Amino acid sequence: TQLLEQSPQFLSIQEGENLTVYCNSSSVFSSLQWYRQEPGEGPVLLVTVVTGGEVKKLKRLTFQFGDARKDSSLHITAAQPGDTGLYLCAGSYNFNKFYFGSGTKLNVKP
Amino acid sequence: GAGVSQSPRYKVTKRGQDVALRCDPISGHVSLYWYRQALGQGPEFLTYFNYEAQQDKSGLPNDRFSAERPEGSISTLTIQRTEQRDSAMYRCASSSLGTGTGGWEQYFGPGTRLTVT
Repeated sequence: TQLLEQSPQFLSIQEGENLTVYCNSSSVFSSLQWYRQEPGEGPVLLVTVVTGGEVKKLKRLTFQFGDARKDSSLHITAAQPGDTGLYLCAGSYNFNKFYFGSGTKLNVKP
Repeated sequence: GAGVSQSPRYKVTKRGQDVALRCDPISGHVSLYWYRQALGQGPEFLTYFNYEAQQDKSGLPNDRFSAERPEGSISTLTIQRTEQRDSAMYRCASSSLGTGTGGWEQYFGPGTRLTVT
């Protein structure tokens, strides 16, 4: 059983569309991170959130940590082909050991 | 500057052989992590070190797997008597902070693709 469930598993959209992906758990985390991974590469950190209700923006990407610190969402505005990749969330209880979700595979078609 | 490097990048071995996977973290990084990642899935935690001390090895699947970081820099993940189910991408990551606060970043290496035939 996965500690962090991500949905949807796959998402294929047209360039310019908006999308939201979700990361859910029954556990309360001290911090949660979002990564993007491109084929053949390692994951690259996008953001870390630590406070319940926290919202962080990174250009067209908006990240939210749930009030109870059990879930998170990533919203992408006006998706571009360069956003294509595997989006992973990772939660930690103690800032040392991270549990990764299974990821959302996003494909943005030109 | 140089990122995390791993060697070999690809390893094909026969069932029953031992393999050693190497990770060279970013210079000065305190923490070093080993993960295993199946294709299209998220990394699965194996073990991590702060300096030379192995802090948590709860993710190692069984006693055929071991890891060391004797001088607090380079780390080796060793798999003894390999089995076909050990085939996977093994990734190493390092970060600059040890225990404590959030907001730090794990830098991942390119991984070693292990195939056991």
